[in-house]
Amino acid sequence: NAGVMQNPRHLVRRRGQEARLRCSPMKGHSHVYWYRQLPEEGLKFMVYLQKENIIDESGMPKERFSAEFPKEGPSILRIQQVVRGDSAAYFCASSPNSGGAWGTDTQYFGPGTRLTVL
Amino acid sequence: DQQVKQNSPSLSVQEGRISILNCDYTNSMFDYFLWYKKYPAEGPTFLISISSIKDKNEDGRFTVFLNKSAKHLSLHIVPSQPGDSAVYFCAASDGNQFYFGTGTSLTVIP
Repeated sequence: NAGVMQNPRHLVRRRGQEARLRCSPMKGHSHVYWYRQLPEEGLKFMVYLQKENIIDESGMPKERFSAEFPKEGPSILRIQQVVRGDSAAYFCASSPNSGGAWGTDTQYFGPGTRLTVL
Repeated sequence: DQQVKQNSPSLSVQEGRISILNCDYTNSMFDYFLWYKKYPAEGPTFLISISSIKDKNEDGRFTVFLNKSAKHLSLHIVPSQPGDSAVYFCAASDGNQFYFGTGTSLTVIP
């Protein structure tokens, strides 16, 4: 049973370019979460999605960042016009649909995408 | 505003001894707590959890203690093994999202 998959593992972009990060949840998981880890900091929640729905995007920067989880295919975190401050490790996690409050579902993390903005 | 704090960025312990990792939180609405373990170039892996109705949860060599009045939790690993060397994150939930600490890097010396 494959775990959470993220690609690419490493992504280099120049300032002003777009970054697309992909996440395939574990089989049977319908909840996806994106986190960002800046250097010397802990994981910071960005967005929580279910299929075709954004449930909570309170951690997403208001501009340049967007996320989707289409009916078919992986979840995508998109960063437009990247800046140096976007350089970080971006982790995706998934959880099964347990029916409980999402803040109690155990989340299973992917290996992360390390974004470097030159 | 860091609601979950791990004040020790690193810890070294001799193999076979006890490792104690600490975590403090500020939000009294947190009612579920977890510890994750992270190896370099990998994502965090769930280790153990505890809900606020308990003060202790044990799983093999790992025990998590929760002191609600002090808003403090700790992870005990005994006996420590070299394979336990990793970064440990504590996380807390208020039912809406998880908040993570900055991590403690544990090194177990053979």
